[in-house]
Amino acid sequence: DVKVTQSSRYLVKRTGEKVFLECVQDMDHENMFWYRQDPGLGLRLIYFSYDVKMKEKGDIPEGYSVSREKKERFSLILESASTNQTSMYLCASSLSRPSMAGGYYNEQFFGPGTRLTVL
Amino acid sequence: GEDVEQSLFLSVREGDSSVINCTYTDSSSTYLYWYKQEPGAGLQLLTYIFSNMDMKQDQRLTVLLNKKDKHLSLRIADTQTGDSAIYFCAETHQTGANNLFFGTGTRLTVIP
Repeated sequence: DVKVTQSSRYLVKRTGEKVFLECVQDMDHENMFWYRQDPGLGLRLIYFSYDVKMKEKGDIPEGYSVSREKKERFSLILESASTNQTSMYLCASSLSRPSMAGGYYNEQFFGPGTRLTVL
Repeated sequence: GEDVEQSLFLSVREGDSSVINCTYTDSSSTYLYWYKQEPGAGLQLLTYIFSNMDMKQDQRLTVLLNKKDKHLSLRIADTQTGDSAIYFCAETHQTGANNLFFGTGTRLTVIP
């Protein structure tokens, strides 16, 4: 079974602190993603990575950065946490498989989430 | 991301059928997915459908796809209290090989 783990389930930080959220997957997936989930807004993509040392901005990258030094690990960094970054953060990984009928099958496997509160 | 829309809430009585609807905007979508998120947990894939199909059935779950109207639905037969969760539809595009685009999620509440 694919396993995606996140370093913390709950985290409380103060405004201005630097915050690291860690994500590890054990299935040798190339692709890894960070989302935040807020009520009524669904999942919003922050950053993603197709390979080691590669990163791409998602829809809401402002205030965040990422690091992918090893294939299995994808870190999300809040350089200076703010109260509007209080949210549930979800990490996911995937292995895109081209479909013979066209397109790609992209099942993403999710971690349990980290609920971050910034005071 | 692309606009994938869902109703935010749905309540049904235990034993009834639930129908969760989703509309998407990108006609190049190749696979469409339904994910389930139980309280306090991450998302888990429930089922998926390829865009050249119009229906897929898996035990209590039926997925209907209307490509012309860009409408996707998930029907849960004989809904149980354990089905209470948030359900997300998601699409993948032919050009965006690695990304999924998620809807806002529908919170299903099953009333005993």
